[in-house]
Amino acid sequence: DAGVIQSPRHEVTEMGQEVTLRCKPISGHDYLFWYRQTMMRGLELLIYFNNNVPIDDSGMPEDRFSAKMPNASFSTLKIQPSEPRDSAVYFCASSRDRGLNQPQHFGDGTRLSIL
Amino acid sequence: AQKVTQAQTEISVVEKEDVTLDCVYETRDTTYYLFWYKQPPSGELVFLIRRNSFDEQNEISGRYSWNFQKSTSSFNFTITASQVVDSAVYFCALSEGGSYSGAGSYQLTFGKGTKLSVIP
Repeated sequence: DAGVIQSPRHEVTEMGQEVTLRCKPISGHDYLFWYRQTMMRGLELLIYFNNNVPIDDSGMPEDRFSAKMPNASFSTLKIQPSEPRDSAVYFCASSRDRGLNQPQHFGDGTRLSIL
Repeated sequence: AQKVTQAQTEISVVEKEDVTLDCVYETRDTTYYLFWYKQPPSGELVFLIRRNSFDEQNEISGRYSWNFQKSTSSFNFTITASQVVDSAVYFCALSEGGSYSGAGSYQLTFGKGTKLSVIP
């Protein structure tokens, strides 16, 4: 079975550019989570969706960040405009239910570098 | 206050030694889940185990074992006869049920991780 698929694996771009990260969850999973991992702050939840609807976006750092889930098999995390402090590894994860009972399965991550 | 504390930032052991990774959590919810994830040098996060708050039975899976003690709010992870392939960062995580923390509190809160280096 295919796992969570993220693209791109690596992204290097200049400050001020728009960045779009993509995620395809595991088929049949109705929860999708976006995380950010940095050395300073560790793994932080940014936002999560249930059945394509954003449930909690309190972890989104600021208005430059936005996330969408237009259908059950695709989600995007967008940063516009990007800043060097956004450099991090961004993970997408999905789970079959609320995540309380079932483990979240993670993609391989997108390593983002903003110059 | 941190909800999940992994006090050991880095551990080095020689191959074949046993090693225990500590995890202490904090929650007022009566229903919660604890998880361990492994992040090898390649960067992906690999799920290892899930344990719910009503099941204090210890679990063993091959060389891995987990000791859950509600009395001390700990969920420690032991690797027996460590191997070089065990070198990774290990994360402990908590998912709260929301009975105290409020509706919608189903997010996974991670500890800072413990970097384990197994030396040949």
